[in-house]
Order: sequence, then structure tokens, then C-alpha cells
Amino acid sequence: DTEVTQTPKHLVMGMTNKKSLKCEQHMGHRAMYWYKQKAKKPPELMFVYSYEKLSINESVPSRFSPECPNSSLLNLHLHALQPEDSALYLCASSQDREGVDEQFFGPGTRLTVL
Amino acid sequence: QKEVEQDPGPLSVPEGAIVSLNCTYSNSAFQYFMWYRQYSRKGPELLMYTYSSGNKEDGRFTAQVDKSSKYISLFIRDSQPSDSATYLCAMTSNQAGTALIFGKGTTLSVSS
Repeated sequence: DTEVTQTPKHLVMGMTNKKSLKCEQHMGHRAMYWYKQKAKKPPELMFVYSYEKLSINESVPSRFSPECPNSSLLNLHLHALQPEDSALYLCASSQDREGVDEQFFGPGTRLTVL
Repeated sequence: QKEVEQDPGPLSVPEGAIVSLNCTYSNSAFQYFMWYRQYSRKGPELLMYTYSSGNKEDGRFTAQVDKSSKYISLFIRDSQPSDSATYLCAMTSNQAGTALIFGKGTTLSVSS
């Protein structure tokens, strides 16, 4: 099983809303990632959790807040977003083991901020 | 100079053609190289994963890495309309929970 699942598939929210994106994997992977992808652009890393320890891309605004409740789950909490935050949000996971670290992506959550 | 360069295309070929997709990179520390296929409005799907230089074959797909030239390739044999997608190269220098550096992606269209 090489599946990463994400919910919801689509999300429309206003700039004053608070919402959360969820990601789950059952491959025993110890690293999980959030990427943001705008149309016709490659994915850009937002956050990495490796063994439940967070690494932050310092360019990511504080209105995005990640949470890793356990090694299988990853959340992205959203608050006071801007229309330019509309994008495909991708979760990925990898084994985080030397010599074997393919990153497997979920299908993404397509976010629209009105 | 960007870390990873990839011709965005679009690339259009007839069914059955051999397709060659390429990326160049500037960071000699990159050791792990991946090719992803992404259909419209979907997440990237891992196609090939290669460590260091060499070739790797999987069905109709062959990945090549030439670290001396900082050049990687993906070959698709007997291309099918279902191969129509955007192909992203990605690479990283450290295997432990680090960001992938992606190329811009090449959009491929295979006509029947």
C-alpha cells in the first residue's frame, strides 16, 4: 500500500474562516510534508515533519499552522487566508531511511479562498 | 541560474513514439533523482527513483542519471494517449526528510 489520503478534496473558504486539511498514511513512513502547488507551477515545500519534529520553511506565513498528532497523521490549520493562498495543497510522506526516501504524494486538496 | 532546469514544452507526439524528457541541475550535491507524473488537477505520482548515476528501467520507462554532466532523462517507449500528463523531475541531496527540488514540469500530449 503506497497510498496517502487527503481530505477534503475541495474546500472553499472565506478570508475570516478557520479550516483544517487532513492527511493520513499507513505505510509506516516517518517523514510527512505539506507542499503548495499553484497552477502550472511545481510543488513548493511548506513544512516537513521528520519523526514528528517540525522543520519550517520560513517564507510560509503564520496563517498556515501544521500539526502532527502522530506519525500517521498530518494536519494543516488555516486561518485568515488570502485569495492568493488559493492552490492545490499536497501532502507527501517518505520512509526517512538512508538510501530509500521516495516521497509519495496524496491527491491534494484544492483550496479556493474567496 | 535555477537549481533545476526543465523545458516546460508543451511536447506533442503521436502514439507509439519514443519520448525523451530531460532536466539539468547545478547543485553537485544532489544524489537522489525522481520523476513524477501529474495528471491535471491530481497529485504527483512517483514513476521512477534513482540514486546517483546510472540507468533504471521499469516497463516502458527508463530513467538515466549522468552526474558528471548534471543531466537526467526519462525515456518513454511506445507512448500511449494515457501518458499525456505533466512530467516533473525532482531531486534532493539528503535522504532524510528534506524538500524535493522540482523542475517546472514538461507537459506531454500523446495523440492517437
